[in-house]
Amino acid sequence: AQTVTQSQPEMSVQEAETVTLSCTYDTSESDYYLFWYKQPPSRQMILVIRQEAYKQQNATENRFSVNFQKAAKSFSLKISDSQLGDAAMYFCAYRSAGNSGNTPLVFGKGTRLSVIA
Amino acid sequence: DAMVIQNPRYQVTQFGKPVTLSCSQTLNHNVMYWYQQKSSQAPKLLFHYYDKDFNNEADTPDNFQSRRPNTSFCFLDIRSPGLGDAAMYLCATSRDRTGRNEQFFGPGTRLTVL
Repeated sequence: AQTVTQSQPEMSVQEAETVTLSCTYDTSESDYYLFWYKQPPSRQMILVIRQEAYKQQNATENRFSVNFQKAAKSFSLKISDSQLGDAAMYFCAYRSAGNSGNTPLVFGKGTRLSVIA
Repeated sequence: DAMVIQNPRYQVTQFGKPVTLSCSQTLNHNVMYWYQQKSSQAPKLLFHYYDKDFNNEADTPDNFQSRRPNTSFCFLDIRSPGLGDAAMYLCATSRDRTGRNEQFFGPGTRLTVL
């Protein structure tokens, strides 16, 4: 079974600075997807960024980028120019690339990010 | 805007009193999921519907049931809530079950059991 580990329960960053959230995972599969979800306080979870395992190029979405190291099974999220609205719980998640059947999202335990003005 | 809607946002029930949580979607997605999220923990998948096909997770207690009367709506029924069932319940949808497709989450219903 796949597992996802987020080793930083809490992180903080100064506004306008850069922060990196860590995520490692364990799998024997070669084809899969990795996600970072953001869950602000009392608000719904939204997708921040997605990485396809067969793509070597790191995904980027505006101020958010990932460092995907497939051999090391590492998938960190970098947030540049941090804003107050970035404060949230961030979940790293894994999903098999199966085209049929049940391929559930496997979540890490989350990292709570605080942004200091 | 297309979205996932959950009602109510906050639900209080008494120990052992059945409760139903509601989820609706305007995305016309085939798959609807129910997750349980306890404080400071990751969401835990309870079950999902792929169209009308119900898929239960192996460790989901029998106390939890679900209904999907049509594409747009899905309900979570807790037959006899215990104190340990107090949690945030998240509904999510996706176009299909392939790994690539994003899951869209609703805002959640926070359940309190007295």
